[in-house]
Amino acid sequence: DAMVIQNPRYQVTQFGKPVTLSCSQTLNHNVMYWYQQKSSQAPKLLFHYYDKDFNNEADTPDNFQSRRPNTSFCFLDIRSPGLGDAAMYLCATSRQGADTQYFGPGTRLTVL
Amino acid sequence: QQQVKQSPQSLIVQKGGISIINCAYENTAFDYFPWYQQFPGKGPALLIAIRPDVSEKKEGRFTISFNKSAKQFSLHIMDSQPGDSATYFCAASINDYKLSFGAGTTVTVRA
Repeated sequence: DAMVIQNPRYQVTQFGKPVTLSCSQTLNHNVMYWYQQKSSQAPKLLFHYYDKDFNNEADTPDNFQSRRPNTSFCFLDIRSPGLGDAAMYLCATSRQGADTQYFGPGTRLTVL
Repeated sequence: QQQVKQSPQSLIVQKGGISIINCAYENTAFDYFPWYQQFPGKGPALLIAIRPDVSEKKEGRFTISFNKSAKQFSLHIMDSQPGDSATYFCAASINDYKLSFGAGTTVTVRA
């Protein structure tokens, strides 16, 4: 089945130790999003790619970076995770001009 | 600043009852209003959506009511089932682009 896949599902890192989360999609969508979702809160958009064009939200900390090497893959890099970065990280995709965003299952990040 | 305000934060309903979740927005440029359902440990999934040229949309037991003049829209879950227990997010977007989510409503359906 076409889908959005996120790896790993659970990630534990130490304070300040860089971590990379990955997202892949078989939907051939040209827009990919990264969201941060903390407990009992709505997903918060960090940034998105429209094709190869990177779009950062104004309030996304510099600590968060992203790479999209090709249409299918997108990575979220957290350069120096703090305790406040512990959250669920969601990847989503959509077709250009389409209304539905398809979410992956998320990666639960724990920072010790 | 949250662009979409959602209420209540949580609700409990008996099996077979009706769940109602309300959302309000300010930006009249919004032209797409989806509802997403999220189960614990899962990503959100699109449940139902509406555009402002329609006042109501029904899919099975789920209905969206849309009031353009009041800038409000709501989700009604009829004949609520225990499997409907989840968190529901309303959202809004412009030109099918970035979503602005409401804060979410946790629905618990008691058997």
